[in-house]
Amino acid sequence: DTAVSQTPKYLVTQMGNDKSIKCEQNLGHDTMYWYKQDSKKFLKIMFSYNNKELIINETVPNRFSPKSPDKAHLNLHINSLELGDSAVYFCASSPTGGNQPQHFGDGTRLSIL
Amino acid sequence: LAKTTQPISMDSYEGQEVNITCSHNNIATNDYITWYQQFPSQGPRFIIQGYKTKVTNEVASLFIPADRKSSTLSLPRVSLSDTAVYYCLVGEAGGYNKLIFGAGTRLAVHP
Repeated sequence: DTAVSQTPKYLVTQMGNDKSIKCEQNLGHDTMYWYKQDSKKFLKIMFSYNNKELIINETVPNRFSPKSPDKAHLNLHINSLELGDSAVYFCASSPTGGNQPQHFGDGTRLSIL
Repeated sequence: LAKTTQPISMDSYEGQEVNITCSHNNIATNDYITWYQQFPSQGPRFIIQGYKTKVTNEVASLFIPADRKSSTLSLPRVSLSDTAVYYCLVGEAGGYNKLIFGAGTRLAVHP
């Protein structure tokens, strides 16, 4: 069974569209994260939720809105997509926050045309 | 948050032991040191975590000197499948502080 699964794996869309990426973890963890890995391979945290509550909100444009319906799910909705949003987006989870070992999904490669 | 510095890249050959050192001069008392491995087209994977001295698991060993200003990830007898990017992170084990992934060390293992 996949521990952290994200869908879709690939997402190709036009500039200006709205899209969502879903993430689910079956590890029973309390904390979930969204990261962005750009073309230079730097992995930057975007958001962190603990038990459906927003804990970390980095300087991310308002076009990005995370939603956590329950502690096993953390979805990422992106409005008005821009070329600079092209990247690989990783979802992760950990038992609690901080430096607890994080389990990552395999990423969603978002390409904006 | 403690910043980490690692070599950008390393090369090795199959069967050799590889040691990747990470500097974290500003590590705080409550900080743990964690290493992740990332293969192409995959998310990072937790390898090992430690606070001081030596930690060993089935994959690697982590050596941390008494001053904790650096740490060394040791991979015994690497194989081609160990070719990956290795990230060193420093942060508190608890709480909700964010972790910062640096550029990592790109390890290439050659036949």
